[in-house]
Amino acid sequence: AQSVSQHNHHVILSEAASLELGCNYSYGGTVNLFWYVQYPGQHLQLLLKYFSGDPLVKGIKGFEAEFIKSKFSFNLRKPSVQWSDTAEYFCAVNAGTGRRALTFGSGTRLQVQP
Amino acid sequence: KAGVTQTPRYLIKTRGQQVTLSCSPISGHRSVSWYQQTPGQGLQFLFEYFSETQRNKGNFPGRFSGRQFSNSRSEMNVSTLELGDSALYLCASSLDTPETQYFGPGTRLLVL
Repeated sequence: AQSVSQHNHHVILSEAASLELGCNYSYGGTVNLFWYVQYPGQHLQLLLKYFSGDPLVKGIKGFEAEFIKSKFSFNLRKPSVQWSDTAEYFCAVNAGTGRRALTFGSGTRLQVQP
Repeated sequence: KAGVTQTPRYLIKTRGQQVTLSCSPISGHRSVSWYQQTPGQGLQFLFEYFSETQRNKGNFPGRFSGRQFSNSRSEMNVSTLELGDSALYLCASSLDTPETQYFGPGTRLLVL
């Protein structure tokens, strides 16, 4: 069965610091990859996704992620975080062909200090 | 376009009772998925419905069930509630899988 690992459970950064959140998945075939964000008191919303093509994907609010197939990774990055980026971030994978369910990582809580 | 709506938003039940949660997907979306979110287990997939048929199912006991109606609205039911069923239940809709899923605000269930 597919699984998703997010090794950073809680990250604390100061404003303007750079961010990289790790995401690794365990599946050797075709994958569709997502990063979702949950701001305090709000719905889960999509930050970015990768289905195919350019492995460097740009999303909303200045976020980007790089798909590295050889490392089974899809790390999320942002060059300069803001206090408003404080949220929980979830990596999710849809693995294989066919209509498979989405598997989420355990999430990373990001706290940005002003 | 209106987003995914879930009712009720909050619910308090006691052990042994049953509960039904409702989800109205974005107009035109035929896939509806349900997730359970808890601090300890994170987001866990319950099941997915597409055109009134259950297409995928997670590893939850048979007490958890669902259905989808012809207008794509979906309900999930939990029978014989246990304390451990306390969680945020999220519904997500999409055009199909593996397209982007759009999440509702969730129903927070507390079992006493």
